Amino acid sequence: DAGVTQSPTHLIKTRGQQVTLRCSPISGHKSVSWYQQVLGQGPQFIFQYYEKEERGRGNFPDRFSARQFPNYSSELNVNALLLGDSALYLCASSFPTRPSDEQYFGPGTRLTVT
Amino acid sequence: AQTVTQSQPEMSVQEAETVTLSCTYDTSESDYYLFWYKQPPSRQMILVIRQEAYKQQNATENRFSVNFQKAAKSFSLKISDSQLGDAAMYFCAYRSADAGGTSYGKLTFGQGTILTVHP
Repeated sequence: DAGVTQSPTHLIKTRGQQVTLRCSPISGHKSVSWYQQVLGQGPQFIFQYYEKEERGRGNFPDRFSARQFPNYSSELNVNALLLGDSALYLCASSFPTRPSDEQYFGPGTRLTVT
Repeated sequence: AQTVTQSQPEMSVQEAETVTLSCTYDTSESDYYLFWYKQPPSRQMILVIRQEAYKQQNATENRFSVNFQKAAKSFSLKISDSQLGDAAMYFCAYRSADAGGTSYGKLTFGQGTILTVHP
């Protein structure tokens, strides 16, 4: 079975622009979570979507938004990009019936804002 | 809010030796889950081991084991018989066991420990 996939792999944007990142979960997984990982640090939780509804939101500004589609894939949008948004954006999927359920991570999208 | 702290930015070990990575956390909850994730260079993050807080027995997965001290809020990872393929960034992570599923997507990560394995 295919794992979690993310696109694009790398992206370079200019300050003030908008970006959309995409994630396809493992088949059968209904939950998608997004994390931001700044170089040399641990991932920070941005959003969780489950059954197309937002179920959790981290401490990120309103410039960050996301949605989940009927096929459970997800998009993360970031508006008015800042230099500090440069990071690896990770998507993780799971079938969250129990809190012990594993989250499976994708390879990430490396965003560079210049 | 929960916090996770990894106080060792870098660790190194000789191949075939044993190494322990430290993690402490802060929470007011009594029921939660703890995880160790491995992130090899330019590769996907994968789960190494998980521990349920209400279980006193320490989790073990082959060469990987944990030392879970709930009262001390400590959760260390021991890697035995280290292999070159163990070289990676290791993250300790926390998840609430809050009922309802709304929290099941959120992992709180530590800052990570870079593990180098010397041949």
